[in-house]
Amino acid sequence: QVQLVESGGGVVQPGRSLRLSCAVSGFTFSSYAMHWVRQAPGKGLEWVAFISDDGSNENYADSVKGRFTLSRDNSKNTLYLQMNSLRAEDTAVYYCLRFSSAAFDFWGQGTKVTVSS
Amino acid sequence: DIVMTQSPLSLTVTPGEPASISCRSSQSLLNSNGYNFLNWYLQKPGQSPQLLIYLGSTRASGVPDRFSGSGSGTDFTLKISRVEAEDVGVYYCMHALQTPRITFGQGTRLEIK
Repeated sequence: QVQLVESGGGVVQPGRSLRLSCAVSGFTFSSYAMHWVRQAPGKGLEWVAFISDDGSNENYADSVKGRFTLSRDNSKNTLYLQMNSLRAEDTAVYYCLRFSSAAFDFWGQGTKVTVSS
Repeated sequence: DIVMTQSPLSLTVTPGEPASISCRSSQSLLNSNGYNFLNWYLQKPGQSPQLLIYLGSTRASGVPDRFSGSGSGTDFTLKISRVEAEDVGVYYCMHALQTPRITFGQGTRLEIK
């Protein structure tokens, strides 16, 4: 079955970096565009970033543009989110998501990022 | 970016009674193929969101038929015909028309009376 397992979250100081990973299984990873969505504590859902199936196209929310970089290794079925210059407002649970039939059809448990001094 | 506005932001429903949530988009979500790029998600307490409805009205796999989605263009509705205790949580609408730039509604919290 489809599985998306996020990892790499933790507590980090403002201005530092963190790299999130998302290991997928149960489907042909290289055939799907992937996204990251985040949810700040007690808040709603916010789209963060997108990468095309072959990794040739990326797009970012204005709130993270220039600081976050999304990449993928289709040979390892893994998605990466490099987060630099982290801010307190980046504190959230981060979900990696498969985009299929114009929807995010499967959600993992997410990985929690806390930016605090 | 398209703005998604949900109403109400919270509602309390007696088990067995119907419930309805509205979602309005700042631009039409109807594409040239006749599909509405509007999805509904439910986030139960302490869980990740789950897909309920995609393309405006298609139930996702395993979703009970008491859930239905309707609407077109800019106005959409999620209806629960008979609310059950397990339906508690926050419901989000989401547009997927201008992918990859996706936006969600603010969320509607459903509680049981």
